Amino acid sequence: QVTLKESGPALVRPTQTLTLTCTFSGFSLSTSTMRVSWIRQPPGKALEWLARIDWDDDKFYSTSLKTRLTISKDTSKNQVVLTMTNMDPVDTATYYCARMPGYCGSISCYEWFDPWGQGTLVTVSS
Amino acid sequence: SSEVTQDPVVSVALGQTVRITCQGDSLRSYYASWYQQKPGQAPRLVIYGKDNRPSGIPDRFSGSSSGNTASLTITGAQAEDEADYYCNSRDSSGNHYVFGTGTKVTVL
Repeated sequence: QVTLKESGPALVRPTQTLTLTCTFSGFSLSTSTMRVSWIRQPPGKALEWLARIDWDDDKFYSTSLKTRLTISKDTSKNQVVLTMTNMDPVDTATYYCARMPGYCGSISCYEWFDPWGQGTLVTVSS
Repeated sequence: SSEVTQDPVVSVALGQTVRITCQGDSLRSYYASWYQQKPGQAPRLVIYGKDNRPSGIPDRFSGSSSGNTASLTITGAQAEDEADYYCNSRDSSGNHYVFGTGTKVTVL
């Protein structure tokens, strides 16, 4: 059974750096084609993809947030860490991590998010 | 454009069929995946790839695609299908991902 769980502070002050940890079980990030992503959702709003890390340590970031994000992994601990600098009240959201299986056909590749962690609400306020 | 748009609200009578659509340039090149989200819960995958359902997803959920539009169809909607639905695909660059704006499905 694959599970993921996010952890981190519930409250962050403006300008501070947020550090979130995704602890997972049931798969290994050292296995070829395995990936983990972070996604967030402000209250009452849509989902927003933030970052992805692959089994081979390739990393991808949201274009609009890439200067503030860093994603890393600790394969031995089955953890993926996301840091976001210079937090602002607009960054208040539930932050999710999700495993990203994928498939490559003859024409293109595609991935999906499954399963998701339960999410952790981060509030940015002074 | 890397935007993916969905109708904000769709209603369906109990037992009837509803189609939720997702439009965006990137959908011409990449399959969409679809997620169901109920209040206070994390999203759950319902469709991925051409038309694949994860284990545990009822076969009343199906997916399709044409041009710049991906669709999720619920055939014989049930009360428990009332939720927000989001599509997702790679964006036009191919290296990032974009979620749709979300559709709230109400079962009457």
